[in-house]
Amino acid sequence: KQEVTQIPAALSVPEGENLVLNCSFTDSAIYNLQWFRQDPGKGLTSLLLIQSSQREQTSGRLNASLDKSSGRSTLYIAASQPGDSATYLCAVRLNTGFQKLVFGTGTRLLVSP
Amino acid sequence: NAGVTQTPKFRILKIGQSMTLQCTQDMNHNYMYWYRQDPGMGLKLIYYSVGAGITDKGEVPNGYNVSRSTTEDFPLRLELAAPSQTSVYFCASIIGPDSGHEQYFGPGTRLTVT
Repeated sequence: KQEVTQIPAALSVPEGENLVLNCSFTDSAIYNLQWFRQDPGKGLTSLLLIQSSQREQTSGRLNASLDKSSGRSTLYIAASQPGDSATYLCAVRLNTGFQKLVFGTGTRLLVSP
Repeated sequence: NAGVTQTPKFRILKIGQSMTLQCTQDMNHNYMYWYRQDPGMGLKLIYYSVGAGITDKGEVPNGYNVSRSTTEDFPLRLELAAPSQTSVYFCASIIGPDSGHEQYFGPGTRLTVT
């Protein structure tokens, strides 16, 4: 059974720091991996999608990497800003017929001015 | 495109009541999903559908029912609401199998059962 773990559960940094969020999964038979942002009381916003054949994806200050063989992904946020404060969720899409997403429990990020 | 829309945004139910959570997408996506998110937890799959007329159970289907009569709509029915169903419910969709595309999420419905 696929399990997704995110470390740390919470992170507090001063503005301007570069930071790394970690995601690990137990079964490497994934179709792709998606990073989401969730603001308090809100829905999920997709940040980056990495296909299983890719190593990384970049969008602005965000860079996500994928090492399928070791079951790990990282989300790198450069020059963090208070507006980056949110919960970040990692999800893997299973390589099965209905391709459901399996989610981690998230990392709650607080960037202070 | 409006994307994935959900109604209502909030609801309070008494134990034993029933309700339907509505979900609609206007992207002509074949695959649709219902997830629930409990406080401090990730999302868990309740039910999914791979097309009109086809639905199946996810990880936590007990206490819920779904139907998919059209491509656009995927309502989730709660019968005999219980406190354990207090959660935030998200509907999601994706164009289809092997698409390599993102899964799109609705804004969620926050349900409290007391």
